[in-house]
Amino acid sequence: DAKTTQPPSMDCAEGRAANLPCNHSTISGNEYVYWYRQIHSQGPQYIIHGLKNNETNEMASLIITEDRKSSTLILPHATLRDTAVYYCIVSYSGSARQLTFGSGTQLTVLP
Amino acid sequence: EPEVTQTPSHQVTQMGQEVILRCVPISNHLYFYWYRQILGQKVEFLVSFYNNEISEKSEIFDDQFSVERPDGSNFTLKIRSTKLEDSAMYFCASSEHWTSGSYEQYFGPGTRLTVT
Repeated sequence: DAKTTQPPSMDCAEGRAANLPCNHSTISGNEYVYWYRQIHSQGPQYIIHGLKNNETNEMASLIITEDRKSSTLILPHATLRDTAVYYCIVSYSGSARQLTFGSGTQLTVLP
Repeated sequence: EPEVTQTPSHQVTQMGQEVILRCVPISNHLYFYWYRQILGQKVEFLVSFYNNEISEKSEIFDDQFSVERPDGSNFTLKIRSTKLEDSAMYFCASSEHWTSGSYEQYFGPGTRLTVT
């Protein structure tokens, strides 16, 4: 699975959009980009995933660059409850592969 | 909304004892996983399970560990002889098969295992 690079920490004001970047320059054509988050010591929570196209669900939007070498997770209106560690994970499709968690980005939403 | 459940939430055991951690995956899911997270460290993959057999396992998952799906709803992780370094939060996860090839995993709340 391709390696990902994320900033270790970011702050965001409550109510503003949080834009979390991820670099995955060695991604291959059949690898998905997944985003998970972990609030304190709770179980990781699935947020969104994508292959090539931008994706949106009730939690977030995922923007993947045309060359697929980087992506941005967007939380449109961050709340204090969005304070968490956010993980960008690249994983091969076609089988239920393990997720390899890095250190992620600690997002702190400030009041 | 369906969710993965885990019991117990906290388990304290003495070194050398056997422990069984229990998980109830989401009911229509076919793939099951165990991960662990030592305090302050990354989430680490242990094992995946499909069709009543192990699909993948990490180097951590040695002969002291085993997994089982004893019935149609439970998925268990057994540690035969616990060591101090097994102290961690253990997360169970499950996913369903998508023909698209993506497998988003849904995690339980975890069991905190403390080995004394």
